[in-house]
Amino acid sequence: DAKTTQPNSMESNEEEPVHLPCNHSTISGTDYIHWYRQLPSQGPEYVIHGLTSNVNNRMASLAIAEDRKSSTLILHRATLRDAAVYYCILSGDTGRRALTFGSGTRLQVQP
Amino acid sequence: DTAVSQTPKYLVTQMGNDKSIKCEQNLGHDTMYWYKQDSKKFLKIMFSYNNKELIINETVPNRFSPKSPDKAHLNLHINSLELGDSAVYFCASSHRNSYGYTFGSGTRLTVV
Repeated sequence: DAKTTQPNSMESNEEEPVHLPCNHSTISGTDYIHWYRQLPSQGPEYVIHGLTSNVNNRMASLAIAEDRKSSTLILHRATLRDAAVYYCILSGDTGRRALTFGSGTRLQVQP
Repeated sequence: DTAVSQTPKYLVTQMGNDKSIKCEQNLGHDTMYWYKQDSKKFLKIMFSYNNKELIINETVPNRFSPKSPDKAHLNLHINSLELGDSAVYFCASSHRNSYGYTFGSGTRLTVV
């Protein structure tokens, strides 16, 4: 699987937008970009995924660069509950392959 | 609730013992996984089963043996437990036609 690079940590204030970057310069044409997050003492949970176009769901938005070599997860209004480790993962297949997790970005949200 | 459920949530045991962790999903998924998260928080895939068939077996000691009695269950049996086996073990599931993976809440194994 292609490698992703994320900052180790980021800080945000409550109720402000958060932009979490991810670089994936070796992404292949069939790789989907997935984002998962892991809240303290919980298993990872799905946030969003996309291929080429920007995506929105109730949790977040995913902005994908035109060349697909980077993407940004956008939390529109951070809450304390959003404090977690966020993982950007590339996967070229539907749900039949194991996800390969990197070290992710630890997001801290200040009140 | 539809979910991936693991039992037990916590497991403390002595070195040399044999223990099992159970996982069940009621999501209708056809692939199940076991991940290990060590003290440095890295999540590593251990095993993957598709329709009861072993797909992935990463470099995991033979002391670890997954067992899938049916598509909804994937249990992990560990023989001769060692201190280094202490970690949080996560079960997950997915479906071949879907991109979302669902994880259980984890089993914290402590070997003393």
